[in-house]
Amino acid sequence: EVQLVQSGAEVKKPGESLRISCKGSGYSFTNYWINWVRQMPGKGLEWMGRIDPSDSYTNYSPSFQGHVTISTDKSISTAYLQWSSLKASDTAMYYCARRDSSSSDAFDIWGQGTMVTVSS
Amino acid sequence: DIQMTQSPSSLSASVGDRVTITCRASQSISRYLNWYQQKPGKAPKLLIYAASSLQSGVPSRFSGSGSGTDFTLTISSLQPEDFATYYCQQSYGAPLTFGGGTKVEIK
Repeated sequence: EVQLVQSGAEVKKPGESLRISCKGSGYSFTNYWINWVRQMPGKGLEWMGRIDPSDSYTNYSPSFQGHVTISTDKSISTAYLQWSSLKASDTAMYYCARRDSSSSDAFDIWGQGTMVTVSS
Repeated sequence: DIQMTQSPSSLSASVGDRVTITCRASQSISRYLNWYQQKPGKAPKLLIYAASSLQSGVPSRFSGSGSGTDFTLTISSLQPEDFATYYCQQSYGAPLTFGGGTKVEIK
């Protein structure tokens, strides 16, 4: 079964660092870009950025550039999203999603989501 | 950035109704338009890609149309499991952008 499995929920304080993960299985991990999408409570979907696991090339939304880092370890088929200094406004659900270049670059497989809560 | 505007933002409909949701891009995106369904507490699910191609496993009551700047998602006969929020997304160019969503509720 093709799937993306994300790490569990996190509760952090402002200023703390965090890295969440997204592990792919059931397919060739390096053949598909991984995207990260934010959903703030009660709000819509926002694309944060993407990574090509084959060469770690990344592409960020201007809204998130400089505030998060996307990386990958292809040896364990895992992508990461990390913050060096969290803010309360980072409280949200974060999804990873696989981009399928044969389907108009749509996101055909999604992780289950990781809830990040930032509160003092 | 390409702005995606969905309408309506919400609608109430009954089982069996035909439902249409529209999505407009701020510039031409050819047919690089995808539709997703999201139910409460769940990850989004791909329904339609490339404006009108049905994702594998998605019921045929879902259809998409359009090109350029104007697109439509149609549910031909609304079923109880279709009550959800629907999002359009352009994959024409980065930054990729989503519409604001359309919540389909039970009348």
